[in-house]
Amino acid sequence: ELKVEQNPLFLSMQEGKNYTIYCNYSTTSDRLYWYRQDPGKSLESLFVLLSNGAVKQEGRLMASLDTKARLSTLHITAAVHDLSATYFCAALFVMYSGGGADGLTFGKGTHLIIQP
Amino acid sequence: DVKVTQSSRYLVKRTGEKVFLECVQDMDHENMFWYRQDPGLGLRLIYFSYDVKMKEKGDIPEGYSVSREKKERFSLILESASTNQTSMYLCASSFPRETDLSWYFGPGTRLTVL
Repeated sequence: ELKVEQNPLFLSMQEGKNYTIYCNYSTTSDRLYWYRQDPGKSLESLFVLLSNGAVKQEGRLMASLDTKARLSTLHITAAVHDLSATYFCAALFVMYSGGGADGLTFGKGTHLIIQP
Repeated sequence: DVKVTQSSRYLVKRTGEKVFLECVQDMDHENMFWYRQDPGLGLRLIYFSYDVKMKEKGDIPEGYSVSREKKERFSLILESASTNQTSMYLCASSFPRETDLSWYFGPGTRLTVL
């Protein structure tokens, strides 16, 4: 059974600072997703990471994947208030042995507050 | 540009009622999923379907059932709603892994059971 652990679960930081959210997963997975969720809203896709060493960047957010360590990170550079949200990582796994059906197992989320 | 829709954003029901949550996707996806989201627990998979009339249990299926009579529609059924089923319910859909990377989530239904 695939388990996904995120840390920290809660993070309060000041604007302009850098920080990293960590995502560990317990068994082999060949795809790692990062999502953002604003209060009362659905999930917004941020990144999909496919291979070892993959790095993707969008604005002040950068995600990376180390499949050997089963670790993904989401790095925030020079945080701004608009990045306040809950961030989820999710790992893909095969649910149906007949093939074709994959599921996402989610971490518990990191509630990020960025203060002016 | 709407891709995954859910029948209600907010729903209030009484204990013991039968509750239907509907999800429709317009992308011809084979796979559809129901998750529930609770504070501090993240998203947990209730049921999924990989084809019409096919369904499999997820991690927390107790108290729920599902129906998929048409490819675009996946329904979650609470046979007899209980207060511990008060939650946010999210529907998602996807192609098989070989086809596409993307998962699409609906806007969510916040269900309160009194």
